[in-house]
Amino acid sequence: EAGVTQFPSHSVIEKGQTVTLRCDPISGHDNLYWYRRVMGKEIKFLLHFVKESKQDESGMPNNRFLAERTGGTYSTLKVQPAELEDSGVYFCASSRTGSYNEQFFGPGTRLTVL
Amino acid sequence: GQNIDQPTEMTATEGAIVQINCTYQTSGFNGLFWYQQHAGEAPTFLSYNVLDGLEEKGRFSSFLSRSKGYSYLLLKELQMKDSASYLCAASNTGGFKTIFGAGTRLFVKA
Repeated sequence: EAGVTQFPSHSVIEKGQTVTLRCDPISGHDNLYWYRRVMGKEIKFLLHFVKESKQDESGMPNNRFLAERTGGTYSTLKVQPAELEDSGVYFCASSRTGSYNEQFFGPGTRLTVL
Repeated sequence: GQNIDQPTEMTATEGAIVQINCTYQTSGFNGLFWYQQHAGEAPTFLSYNVLDGLEEKGRFSSFLSRSKGYSYLLLKELQMKDSASYLCAASNTGGFKTIFGAGTRLFVKA
């Protein structure tokens, strides 16, 4: 089965611009997660979708970040306007519905804000 | 508060055994993940412990003590390809929100 895919792999933008990251989960996985790793820090949880519903968005840093999962398939994470501190690697992961959730991670999108 | 601690770096010799420790303090703890991450790649799942005790999976084993807030990952018969970061992560009740440690960089030398 195909793994989690993310697009783009790299993005370089200027402060104040808008960027949209996309994640395609493994087919059939209802759970979709967004994480972020800034330089030298640990991976941090941003939010969790169950199908198209936001189950937990407690990790979203501020209202410049907007995540959507219309139709419960792929998800987008938009940053508008981007700030320097938003630079990092954004990981998406997906998992089946079940008693525990082995999360399969995508390769990540490396975002650089100049 | 929520906190996960693991050593920053470890070095071990090819063929040896290494134990990577992790202590955690989280609210609503459900289980403990271990992930392996090679530089520039996505984390890959190694294990998930919910119950106390040791779970073995090939060369890798993971241990959990819920009462002590402690886990370890044991790697046997180390190979050069085991050089990577090992991430300890705690999931909350329901197993969805996951809190990651900063990772332990393991260097395997010949």
